[in-house]
Amino acid sequence: EDQVTQSPEALRLQEGESSSLNCSYTVSGLRGLFWYRQDPGKGPEFLFTLYSAGEEKEKERLKATLTKKESFLHITAPKPEDSATYLCAVPNNAGNMLTFGGGTRLMVKP
Amino acid sequence: SQTIHQWPATLVQPVGSPLSLECTVEGTSNPNLYWYRQAAGRGLQLLFYSVGIGQISSEVPQNLSASRPQDRQFILSSKKLLLSDSGFYLCAGIGTGTYEQYFGPGTRLTVT
Repeated sequence: EDQVTQSPEALRLQEGESSSLNCSYTVSGLRGLFWYRQDPGKGPEFLFTLYSAGEEKEKERLKATLTKKESFLHITAPKPEDSATYLCAVPNNAGNMLTFGGGTRLMVKP
Repeated sequence: SQTIHQWPATLVQPVGSPLSLECTVEGTSNPNLYWYRQAAGRGLQLLFYSVGIGQISSEVPQNLSASRPQDRQFILSSKKLLLSDSGFYLCAGIGTGTYEQYFGPGTRLTVT
C-alpha cells in the first residue's frame, strides 16, 4: 500500500528565513510526485510534478527536489504570502488514484 | 489546461434535508473525476471517483452518492443530510495522458 508522510505538520518562519518541507513516500512504482499549495477555504493549487530521482523544479521562491525515498520543498526567503498548507501526493500504479500526505501548514510572519 | 468548476461555494443545510453539489470540467474530454471531503485541519478523504458516464466507484460507505450524467459533469448527492456530513467538498479531475489531478474551488457545507 502506498504511503506518504509529510513533516513537519506545522512550520513557523520569519520573513526571509529559508527552510524545507519534507515528503517521504513508499510506493511500488513511482509514477510521479505532486506538490500542491492550499490556501484556507480554497481548493489545492497544483505546483509541481517530479518524475524521477534527481529532478528539480522551481517556481519563484519554491524549489522541489526528489530522491528515491523523499521529496523536499525548499522555500527561499519566504514572504507572508507564502503562508499556506503544502500537500504532496503520489499516484497509484494505475495512475487513477492519489495518496496524499497530511500536509505541512506554513506560517510566515512579517 | 483543464478548469474545474464547483457550486455553490458555501451551503448551510438542516439535518435531514437533501443535498446536490455540482462539478463541471472545462478543457479536457473523458476525464477521470473525483469527489473528496476535507475536515477542518485534516487531510483529503476520497469519496467517489468516476472514469466515465454512469461509472461510479465508492471509496467510503456513507450517506452520500455520486452520479455522472454527462462526460464533464459530476454530482454529489444525499437524500438526508447528517451532522457528520459537514465539511469542505472538493471535486478534482485528471485529463487524458496525465496523472496530475486539478481541483475545483470547493464547497463549504455546514449541516445544522
